[in-house]
Amino acid sequence: ETGVTQSPTHLIKTRGQQVTLRCSSQSGHNTVSWYQQALGQGPQFIFQYYREEENGRGNFPPRFSGLQFPNYSSELNVNALELDDSALYLCASSLQGDQPQHFGDGTRLSIL
Amino acid sequence: GESVGLHLPTLSVQEGDNSIINCAYSNSASDYFIWYKQESGKGPQFIIDIRSNMDKRQGQRVTVLLNKTVKHLSLQIAATQPGDSAVYFCAENRGVGGGSQGNLIFGKGTKLSVKP
Repeated sequence: ETGVTQSPTHLIKTRGQQVTLRCSSQSGHNTVSWYQQALGQGPQFIFQYYREEENGRGNFPPRFSGLQFPNYSSELNVNALELDDSALYLCASSLQGDQPQHFGDGTRLSIL
Repeated sequence: GESVGLHLPTLSVQEGDNSIINCAYSNSASDYFIWYKQESGKGPQFIIDIRSNMDKRQGQRVTVLLNKTVKHLSLQIAATQPGDSAVYFCAENRGVGGGSQGNLIFGKGTKLSVKP
């Protein structure tokens, strides 16, 4: 069974740029959620995708957007990067319903 | 406000002892809770979950207790090992729609250090 994989593992960008992060869900999982984890904090929910549509969103601005593909993989896009966007971005996959979410090891994004 | 928090930010135990990590939640409507372990440089790893219709659930060396009256849950680790050293998060489920599990609310975490 393949777990959740994320790419790239590390990324450095400058303010104002755009970034795309990728996630492959665990085999058999149809739901993907994205989280932002600042240093020393717990993960914060960004949004969830199910059946290629956004299925819930946390308190993040519209410059955070995403996609889910027919194979259930997903992308997180962030436009107009700000210094505060520096964080670990985590993807979690699950089956729809009351099933636990399983996380990848994240993408460490640094904004200069 | 609604939040999930942990009573202790750090916990240091001797190898072989039992560990207890506590967590308080404030949303009485929450019905699903999960404990995660996060090692340095890695994503959160699922440990155990519990639904609100239960007050105790056991896994391999771990037990989760849920007290809905005082909105408190705990994670007990038996015979703690050096490999258990990590940050532990409790997370509260806020379903985002269609009964799905989605919006997990995490606390700041408790750092567990195991002394050999």
